[in-house]
Order: sequence, then C-alpha cells, then structure tokens
Amino acid sequence: GAVVSQHPSRVICKSGTSVKIECRSLDFQATTMFWYRQFPKQSLMLMATSNEGSKATYEQGVEKDKFLINHASLTLSTLTVTSAHPEDSSFYICSARQGSGGEQYFGPGTRLTVT
Amino acid sequence: DQQVKQNSPSLSVQEGRISILNCDYTNSMFDYFLWYKKYPAEGPTFLISISSIKDKNEDGRFTVFLNKSAKHLSLHIVPSQPGDSAVYFCAATFQAAGNKLTFGGGTRVLVKP
Repeated sequence: GAVVSQHPSRVICKSGTSVKIECRSLDFQATTMFWYRQFPKQSLMLMATSNEGSKATYEQGVEKDKFLINHASLTLSTLTVTSAHPEDSSFYICSARQGSGGEQYFGPGTRLTVT
Repeated sequence: DQQVKQNSPSLSVQEGRISILNCDYTNSMFDYFLWYKKYPAEGPTFLISISSIKDKNEDGRFTVFLNKSAKHLSLHIVPSQPGDSAVYFCAATFQAAGNKLTFGGGTRVLVKP
C-alpha cells in the first residue's frame, strides 16, 4: 500500500526558532499534499493544501508567513514553522494524494514541542 | 461552525459485541464520507468509506451506514476486538472542495476483553 513518512517524528525547539518538517510519499507520486494540525483531544484541522510546483492554499486563520509550505517535488513537501512559540506546540500530520480524486494517505505525524 | 460532529467522545464495549459510532454533518454538499482509525502519536489509517449515492457499505467487520435525509452516518464494528481500541474519526468531503477532508472530533473506543 501507499506509504507516507514524516521526519522528524518528534522535535523540541526553543521559542523563536524555526522548525522544518518533511513529508515524503515513498512509493507513489503525490500531486497534492495536505498539512493538518491536531491539538490534544481535538480533531485534525486542515492547515493548508499544497500542489506540486505551485503555492500552497491556506485555510482561514492559518498564517501563511508563519507556516511556510514548499512542495518542490512529487514526493516531498515541507512545512516550516517560523519563529515558533509555545502555542505552536502540536501534532502535525501530513497526507498525500495521487491524482485529483485519489485516497489520502497519512503520515505518522510529528510532535512539536516549543519551550 | 463544526460541519462534522461526533457527539460521543468515548465508547466502551465488551469484546465480541457491536460497536456503533455515530457522526452527523451539516453541509449538504458533502458527497463522500470516510472513517479513519487513529492510535496515539500516529497518523490516521483509512478504514472504510461511502459515497452519497449509497446508503450502506460493508468491508469485513466494518459497515458504514449513511442516512442522507438525516445527515447522519454510523460505523458498525462487529465483533469488536481489543485491537479495535483507538480513536475513530469520521470525515467528509465533496469534489468541488478539491476533496479536502473535514474531520469530526473523534470517538475514543475502548474494547474490554
């Protein structure tokens, strides 16, 4: 089946620093990747949709200058949390989709803790 | 405004019995619904889906029922097994939204041996 990986699985950083999270589709080409955030005991909230080679589309309320998304290839998308603050601490999950109507396959998630 | 709601945050069921998880939605444009299973610190894994042109879809121990007039769907797991203990999310989407998923809040299922 389709496999999506994320790196790192867990990261702790200091307030004010930037953190990059990678999302890779290992055995298929992902034309679209999605980035979600999940706070404890809450649902997954879509942050942005990224299509290979074009700018990401951000959901309402998500700061595009704070959460930089790059989808430079069909197998890799990155999310950079810039100038991270403790309130950015969350579980970030990506998903990848092949084609316009295909199934979304989720990565294992990245736990970000900002101290 | 939460477009997809799972009103039961948790459910406890005995092994071998049926687990019934409920999900309600408000957006009548949704035409495709999915259920995901999620363990702590892991990404969701796809379980089963249903298109709005159907009212039932079955896959092994999992059956999803859709009642469009009530804007309600349910997931039945029978028989429940201890390994089914996880958080279950329902999600909805529609083609015009680029198939972006809107998730419900999740229901934590505990299957007791």
